[in-house]
Amino acid sequence: DIQMTQSPSSVSASVGDRVTITCRASQDIDNWLAWYQQKPGKAPKLLIYAASRLQSGVPSRFSGSGSGTDFTLTISSLQPEDFATYYCQQANSFPRFGGGTKVEIK
Amino acid sequence: EVQLVESGGGLVQPGGSLRLSCGVSGFTFSSSWMFWVRQAPGQGLFWVSRINIDGSSTGYADSVRGRFTISRDNSKNTLYLHMNSLRVEDTAMYYCARVGSSWSNDYWGQGTLVTVSS
Repeated sequence: DIQMTQSPSSVSASVGDRVTITCRASQDIDNWLAWYQQKPGKAPKLLIYAASRLQSGVPSRFSGSGSGTDFTLTISSLQPEDFATYYCQQANSFPRFGGGTKVEIK
Repeated sequence: EVQLVESGGGLVQPGGSLRLSCGVSGFTFSSSWMFWVRQAPGQGLFWVSRINIDGSSTGYADSVRGRFTISRDNSKNTLYLHMNSLRVEDTAMYYCARVGSSWSNDYWGQGTLVTVSS
């Protein structure tokens, strides 16, 4: 089974900061990767699919990159509404999620 | 407007059964693969099961295979998860989600809470 490892598990940042979250797959998954944002008590929200494609309606400050085993989610200028937990997902018919990264207020 | 509305959760004793439902509107349900994903309290996301557009192909996580059954009724725009032999470790919020581009999940329900406890 493919394992998805996210880092860091948590990050403290301020409004306006650039935040980078990484996700590593235990095997080559090409670009079959998605990123989600989840706020407390809410369902996950799709941000990025196919590693780098921005979901409709998602602000352009979010971007994704990578291919193969190493992937990155970047928030270029953190906004107050971005404080949340972020998950990567190996996207296929038997998906695996990373453990999550909590973005907290510094 | 796209809506996915889960129901059927609740408190059940270990070894018991539940049937979750997910009613869908706002997109063509009969053309969409669907997932169930769960989240234990304070924990991360975990994929449970998937079903293809006509229900002829299903898949399960190892931890639920043989106990859970996913199904769908395209005439009712409804997805189901039949859960038998429930264990304490099945306690979680259960979400239904649509499979969109590149196997990502673009629409999610609000979740239904299943608590397995004696």
